[in-house]
Amino acid sequence: DGGITQSPKYLFRKEGQNVTLSCEQNLNHDAMYWYRQDPGQGLRLIYYSQIVNDFQKGDIAEGYSVSREKKESFPLTVTSAQKNPTAFYLCATRQGARTDTQYFGPGTRLTVL
Amino acid sequence: AQTVTQSQPEMSVQEAETVTLSCTYDTSESDYYLFWYKQPPSRQMILVIRQEAYKQQNATENRFSVNFQKAAKSFSLKISDSQLGDAAMYFCAYRSRGNYGQNFVFGPGTRLSVLP
Repeated sequence: DGGITQSPKYLFRKEGQNVTLSCEQNLNHDAMYWYRQDPGQGLRLIYYSQIVNDFQKGDIAEGYSVSREKKESFPLTVTSAQKNPTAFYLCATRQGARTDTQYFGPGTRLTVL
Repeated sequence: AQTVTQSQPEMSVQEAETVTLSCTYDTSESDYYLFWYKQPPSRQMILVIRQEAYKQQNATENRFSVNFQKAAKSFSLKISDSQLGDAAMYFCAYRSRGNYGQNFVFGPGTRLSVLP
C-alpha cells in the first residue's frame, strides 16, 4: 500500500524534552518537507530535503532539526529550544525537481504539557 | 517574497448550490503553479486542483473549477453542486516553477461549511 505515513498521530511532551516525529514514504519521491500548522494559519515550512544526506532550512527552522539518511525517511526532532511547539505537523513529498505537486501525510498533533 | 491571501476566513453554501472561494497572490515571477488543497476534519491535505500559469485555459476537475486571472493575480475556486463532503478548510497555494524546493507558499485558508 503506497503512501506517506506519520507517527504517532498524537504526541504529548513535557517542557524541556526533545521529541522526534516520524515520516516515512514508499512513493520513491525525491523531495520531502515538514510543515507546521497553527489554528487560523496556513502551513509554514520548517525544513525540506531534495536528496538523501541533504536538507535545507525553511521559514521557521529555529528549534527544529532533521536528518535524511534514507530516501524513505525524514524524521523531525522538536527540541527544547522551540518555544511554542504545540501544533499540528505535516510531512509532504514531491516526486522530483520537474514535478510540482506535493502529497501530504496524515499529520501528527504535538501537545506540550 | 511571494504571498498568498484568502480574504474569506469562513464561507457557507447550501447543499447542491455553487460557491466560489477567493485567492489572490503577489509575485514578480511569470512562471509558476497554483493549487487548491482541501483539509477535511481528518486533517489530511488533499490536492483539489492545480493550474500552470503559462496555460490560459482554466483547470477543471469534475465539480471543481478555477478562474485564473493572471494579470489580476487572482485564482478563485468554484465548487458546483456542493456536497456535504465538501465541508473542509481550503488552502490556496503558490509554487515557483523555477525554484527547486521551498517556494510552496500557502494562504491562511477558508473554512467552508455545507448546509443540508
